[in-house]
Amino acid sequence: RKEVEQDPGPFNVPEGATVAFNCTYSNSASQSFFWYRQDCRKEPKLLMSVYSSGNEDGRFTAQLNRASQYISLLIRDSKLSDSATYLCVVAYSGGYQKVTFGTGTKLQVIP
Amino acid sequence: DAGVIQSPRHEVTEMGQEVTLRCKPISGHDYLFWYRQTMMRGLELLIYFNNNVPIDDSGMPEDRFSAKMPNASFSTLKIQPSEPRDSAVYFCASSHLGSYGYTFGSGTRLTVV
Repeated sequence: RKEVEQDPGPFNVPEGATVAFNCTYSNSASQSFFWYRQDCRKEPKLLMSVYSSGNEDGRFTAQLNRASQYISLLIRDSKLSDSATYLCVVAYSGGYQKVTFGTGTKLQVIP
Repeated sequence: DAGVIQSPRHEVTEMGQEVTLRCKPISGHDYLFWYRQTMMRGLELLIYFNNNVPIDDSGMPEDRFSAKMPNASFSTLKIQPSEPRDSAVYFCASSHLGSYGYTFGSGTRLTVV
């Protein structure tokens, strides 16, 4: 089993739709979680951290379920500019210096 | 803030040649990471440094790969000899302990023919 697993997609959604991605992780000792965004032929960029209590940043909501060992990302009112690959990231050993990236979920927002 | 700077942006080389990729981390960041990204395997951590010292190189695929960080503002990843299966995008990233997430460079797209 992979340490971090994501549905590769693609998720094709119309503008204005709500879309959610899940990411599962295998190590119950994982302590820090993030979502990164990667545009085509660009570098990954930090989108948001994921806190135990869940957190929002505008149209984006991230949640953590430790019991089931998954994190989720919800995007409301999808924009064309949201089209990208979303990478789930899990950090172990309490540090940010070493993390494991998922292979990403591709989102395509359609006009 | 200039961000993480990588060079070259693109590299095309023939099998068997030596390839050197370069990275300048963000000033003040004490961690530096080298990643490789392919369609098949996603992002793979090759090696990371803390305060210029290699901490974990378990991701380096084989002895053909080596990395150095002679000072806080410069690192290199060298492949010698290169092989077609090394073709990938190589990212350098840096972070400061206690900060959230990494800052990646724009990557070097390596093609070995």
